[in-house]
Amino acid sequence: QQQVKQSPQSLIVQKGGISIINCAYENTAFDYFPWYQQFPGKGPALLIAIRPDVSEKKEGRFTISFNKSAKQFSLHIMDSQPGDSATYFCAARGAGSYQLTFGKGTKLSVIP
Amino acid sequence: NAGVMQNPRHLVRRRGQEARLRCSPMKGHSHVYWYRQLPEEGLKFMVYLQKENIIDESGMPKERFSAEFPKEGPSILRIQQVVRGDSAAYFCASSPRTGGDTGELFFGEGSRLTVL
Repeated sequence: QQQVKQSPQSLIVQKGGISIINCAYENTAFDYFPWYQQFPGKGPALLIAIRPDVSEKKEGRFTISFNKSAKQFSLHIMDSQPGDSATYFCAARGAGSYQLTFGKGTKLSVIP
Repeated sequence: NAGVMQNPRHLVRRRGQEARLRCSPMKGHSHVYWYRQLPEEGLKFMVYLQKENIIDESGMPKERFSAEFPKEGPSILRIQQVVRGDSAAYFCASSPRTGGDTGELFFGEGSRLTVL
């Protein structure tokens, strides 16, 4: 049972464009939604995270949009750069829990 | 301030051999988590440990897999009698506390196991 569904599986965006990655979850007990960035051969690194009491969080060029009623959240990368090319994972965690449930990842390629 | 250190980075084993993966958490972190990543898949939780205690091993296969985090030294994930399906990247993460304000996990660079 996949509790966090992520799409698309891969994404190609031109430099300067907007990259959008979507995730949907099933478990209404989730209350923490991080996004991780992973470069080839490296471990995932926390990029940005949101809790369901806000609908949007922005950090630099990265924005999370959160729709609690639809049980969906998305990552927007503005002004995408070739250095953003990586695999992005959404994740979710329940209140008081420590287990992160990850999506399957989106491989982003930003072309010049 | 060193991050989470994992070794070996790459490990090749033949079927039936044992694999030992080590993880030293970030300084000041007493919580260690192991995740497994299969090709084209997200990370899957395996086990959560604190010093000398296994808190949750619900994601770890009941047979052949074991984990420990001794009072002194790194956390170790041990896979006995490896099979080809064990080929994966194994990531260790640490945190200073469980859950909490952000519950941010800091991941190591992973150990990539290949079973021939």
